[in-house]
Amino acid sequence: GAGVSQSPRYKVAKRGQDVALRCDPISGHVSLFWYQQALGQGPEFLTYFQNEAQLDKSGLPSDRFFAERPEGSVSTLKIQRTQQEDSAVYLCASSFSSYEQYFGPGTRLTVT
Amino acid sequence: GQNIDQPTEMTATEGAIVQINCTYQTSGFNGLFWYQQHAGEAPTFLSYNVLDGLEEKGRFSSFLSRSKGYSYLLLKELQMKDSASYLCAVRARFPRGGSQGNLIFGKGTKLSVKP
Repeated sequence: GAGVSQSPRYKVAKRGQDVALRCDPISGHVSLFWYQQALGQGPEFLTYFQNEAQLDKSGLPSDRFFAERPEGSVSTLKIQRTQQEDSAVYLCASSFSSYEQYFGPGTRLTVT
Repeated sequence: GQNIDQPTEMTATEGAIVQINCTYQTSGFNGLFWYQQHAGEAPTFLSYNVLDGLEEKGRFSSFLSRSKGYSYLLLKELQMKDSASYLCAVRARFPRGGSQGNLIFGKGTKLSVKP
């Protein structure tokens, strides 16, 4: 079956531009997580949705980061006025139960 | 605070056994996960421990001691395709007490398997 998909896979943005990253979770998965992974590091939690409700956004690094999941399926992570320190791989993961989180391939964002 | 430590790099020989250790200090605990991540790819699930002891799954086994804040991943009969980063992650207890919680990852252990 289809796994978690993310688009675009690669994004180059000039400093100050806004970007939108999309995540299509596995159908029927209630929980959706966004993580940020810098080069050579483990993923770091950004935010969590249960259906359309954003229940935890404690990991968002600044108010330039915004995430939504309006219909409880597809989610978008938006970064406004991108900075060089935002360059990273953004991973989306979905889960049906309290067990395994399934990760997408990620979007590699490079801010120049 | 939250802290998860694992070695940065390890090297092993094809056919051998390797043990990757992980120690953790987190404000909550709701299970420990091991993920494998090949360069440029998504992390893929390997194992899950929530109770003390050993979980075996084919060539991979994972051990947990909650009292010591310690886990290890054991890989047997190493193959070249096992060259990857191995991520140890603790699931935090969701603030509202539910079963879901975000994963807190270590920095990963880059394993190189040589012929």
